[in-house]
Amino acid sequence: DTGVSQDPRHKITKRGQNVTFRCDPISEHNRLYWYRQTLGQGPEFLTYFQNEAQLEKSRLLSDRFSAERPKGSFSTLEIQRTEQGDSAMYLCASSLDYYGYTFGSGTRLTVV
Amino acid sequence: ELKVEQNPLFLSMQEGKNYTIYCNYSTTSDRLYWYRQDPGKSLESLFVLLSNGAVKQEGRLMASLDTKARLSTLHITAAVHDLSATYFCAVDPKRKRFGAGTRLTVKP
Repeated sequence: DTGVSQDPRHKITKRGQNVTFRCDPISEHNRLYWYRQTLGQGPEFLTYFQNEAQLEKSRLLSDRFSAERPKGSFSTLEIQRTEQGDSAMYLCASSLDYYGYTFGSGTRLTVV
Repeated sequence: ELKVEQNPLFLSMQEGKNYTIYCNYSTTSDRLYWYRQDPGKSLESLFVLLSNGAVKQEGRLMASLDTKARLSTLHITAAVHDLSATYFCAVDPKRKRFGAGTRLTVKP
């Protein structure tokens, strides 16, 4: 296990379509986080899981966004009815405790 | 709401010079994190500062934390081109509130 994997690396979609991203964390990590980063800004917290439980969601996460971590391993982030404002880099991170975050390479979403 | 402010946001410096990046945050936090991000890449963890007065050094970078002043600094010594990147600080161990980043360019 070499790190946090995210798939796809890039996604171009038409406005109104649904998209789903996947994150595979480091296997022994029990916490998994999703962030969104727009150009020139720092990452913004979206949500985090401890094992399979989603413990917190940011108010940035509108009703069109949903995240799951069904068996406490990989996670998916789905965006329904995409809008141009959803264009961003979506970053996943995992950790065993609150110190040692490891970020994935991200999924860059472009909504046209 | 917790706010994290970095300054400067843009920094252009010559090789061999020293400089300091500042990170202020608005509410109590006993932990502070520094990350590096290269263009188009993900974030790389640099330092985790766990207590007041903590100081950590790695190569030409040194980070410190003053929890009373709610201030962390990232000091660059004798900058080299390879340090060109965006540097982020973050607080709040659960959710990680990030600053806007300092875009550092080191010129020969």
